[in-house]
Amino acid sequence: LAKTTQPISMDSYEGQEVNITCSHNNIATNDYITWYQQFPSQGPRFIIQGYKTKVTNEVASLFIPADRKSSTLSLPRVSLSDTAVYYCLVVGTGGGNKLTFGTGTQLKVEL
Amino acid sequence: DAGITQSPRHKVTETGTPVTLRCHQTENHRYMYWYRQDPGHGLRLIHYSYGVKDTDKGEVSDGYSVSRSKTEDFLLTLESATSSQTSVYFCAISTNGAGSYEQYFGPGTRLTVT
Repeated sequence: LAKTTQPISMDSYEGQEVNITCSHNNIATNDYITWYQQFPSQGPRFIIQGYKTKVTNEVASLFIPADRKSSTLSLPRVSLSDTAVYYCLVVGTGGGNKLTFGTGTQLKVEL
Repeated sequence: DAGITQSPRHKVTETGTPVTLRCHQTENHRYMYWYRQDPGHGLRLIHYSYGVKDTDKGEVSDGYSVSRSKTEDFLLTLESATSSQTSVYFCAISTNGAGSYEQYFGPGTRLTVT
């Protein structure tokens, strides 16, 4: 599984757009990129998944360049409730859909 | 929450005793997982199951065993609990099978081994 690197922490203010970048230099051809969000004392929550280019859903966008060696999770107009740890995962097909979590990015949103 | 419950939610036990944690799902999903999370770390996979009586090891399986005799239940057993197994344990299910990495997590079990 490809190793991921993301910032340990980020700070933002309410209403701003937040972009969290993850690098995954040795991503394999069939690997997908997945992001999860975790609040204290709760299990992680799936945010978004992508393979290439751009994916958007109701909560976030995921940008993946052509070489797929990095990806950027974009959270539009964050609020205090977006304060959480965000995990970037690279996952391979087969093998039971296993996930490997790193240490994640602690996002702190202030007023 | 995709119908996932974990029991107990909190447990304190002594070193050397066996402990069993239960994960229950209500929607007959094929894949189920057990993770542990320690302070300052992401989640680490202990064991997973891809069907009744079909299980496999994750990255931190030593000292743990699992069983799945029914689709809805996935049990995690600490054969002889140690203080290093003090952790928060999360169960998860995968809803869509191969090619989808959307997992739903249970509320967690906080285990303390004294």
